[in-house]
Amino acid sequence: KQEVTQIPAALSVPEGENLVLNCSFTDSAIYNLQWFRQDPGKGLTSLLLIQSSQREQTSGRLNASLDKSSGRSTLYIAASQPGDSATYLCAVVDSGYALNFGKGTSLLVTP
Amino acid sequence: NAGVMQNPRHLVRRRGQEARLRCSPMKGHSHVYWYRQLPEEGLKFMVYLQKENIIDESGMPKERFSAEFPKEGPSILRIQQVVRGDSAAYFCASSPFSGGTTDTQYFGPGTRLTVL
Repeated sequence: KQEVTQIPAALSVPEGENLVLNCSFTDSAIYNLQWFRQDPGKGLTSLLLIQSSQREQTSGRLNASLDKSSGRSTLYIAASQPGDSATYLCAVVDSGYALNFGKGTSLLVTP
Repeated sequence: NAGVMQNPRHLVRRRGQEARLRCSPMKGHSHVYWYRQLPEEGLKFMVYLQKENIIDESGMPKERFSAEFPKEGPSILRIQQVVRGDSAAYFCASSPFSGGTTDTQYFGPGTRLTVL
C-alpha cells in the first residue's frame, strides 16, 4: 500500500527566502507525481506534474524534482512571497488514476 | 472554460439525514473522481466514475455511500443516514480521456459537510 509522507508538516519563513518542501513515497512503481497548492477553504490547484520518466519540472519560481528509485521528490520555491502562503500537497498516481496524497506542508511566508 | 463545479459549498445535516453532493466536471471531461479530506488527514480516494459507469469504488465505505455519474447531469455522491464521522471536505476532480496517468486531475472547490 502506497504511503506518501511530507516533511515538514509546517514551515514559516521570511519573505524572499528560498525554500524546499520534501515528499517521500514507499512504492517507486508510480506513473507520475504531482504537487498541488490548497488555500484555506478552497480547492486544489495543480502546480507541477512530473511523469515517471522525467527528473524535474519548472514553472516560474517553482521547481520540482523526482528521484523515483529513492522514492523522493522536492518542491523548490525561489524568492518566496506572502502570496505563497498555503498548504502544499504531494500526490502520486500508482494505479492508473487514483491520487495518493500526503498530509501536506503548511507554509507561511511572513512579510 | 468553467472549472469543476461543486455544490453546495457548505452542507449541514443532522445525524440520520441524507446528504447529496453534486459535481459538474470541466467541459469535455468524461472522468470524475471523488476524494474525502477528514480533519487533520490527507485526501483519500473514494471512487472513480465514467459516464454511467463506476470504474473503481474501492475507497468508498461499504455502507451508506453511493455515487453515480448519469449520462446527463452532474455526478452525485450520496451519503445516507449521516453520522458525525462523515463530517469532512469532499472534493470532486475531473480529467480528460486518459484517466489520470498522463494528465492532471482538475479539482473543484469542495463541499464541506458538517453533521450535527
